[in-house]
Amino acid sequence: GQNIDQPTEMTATEGAIVQINCTYQTSGFNGLFWYQQHAGEAPTFLSYNVLDGLEEKGRFSSFLSRSKGYSYLLLKELQMKDSASYLCAVRDSNYQLIWGAGTKLIIKP
Amino acid sequence: GAVVSQHPSRVICKSGTSVKIECRSLDFQATTMFWYRQFPKKSLMLMATSNEGSKATYEQGVEKDKFLINHASLTLSTLTVTSAHPEDSSFYICSATLTETEAFFGQGTRLTVV
Repeated sequence: GQNIDQPTEMTATEGAIVQINCTYQTSGFNGLFWYQQHAGEAPTFLSYNVLDGLEEKGRFSSFLSRSKGYSYLLLKELQMKDSASYLCAVRDSNYQLIWGAGTKLIIKP
Repeated sequence: GAVVSQHPSRVICKSGTSVKIECRSLDFQATTMFWYRQFPKKSLMLMATSNEGSKATYEQGVEKDKFLINHASLTLSTLTVTSAHPEDSSFYICSATLTETEAFFGQGTRLTVV
């Protein structure tokens, strides 16, 4: 079966750095996405990785290792507004998005 | 970026009635839109893929007669929850793909069936 694993909840301090991991087992691979979702709102796109390596976009970076079925989202200089759920999603061989359950990130002052 | 507008954002309906949710791509044409359902603290669950001008493709376990999808134009897809029951209460989200690398989401609709 297809599976995406990510931690349920993480806590970090304002101004610090946090890494949210995602491991996946899917039928085929056509890209991995990270989304941010605030409570009661729809997800918003953060990043896309299809090749191995690190993609940097401002305070957020995303890393992919296809051989390990592994990705992480790195958030730097954390702000209170970064408190949200972070969803990892993999596009499989049928071009369907398989979603993780999301990681709730709690930022403390 | 591209905008997908979903309406209404919240709706409360009586059990047994039907509710229609609209999803519009405002500044691009979307031949394919997706409808998701999300339970509290759970992942997005794909319900169906909506294709303009043809029948929607439903995921296993989703009742197509209960969740009617119409994609009559390149900018509008609708999801109608027919004969709604309290267990249909959920957060429904639509999305449309503009490029290979991004999917844009509507604001979501919080449906409460009483």
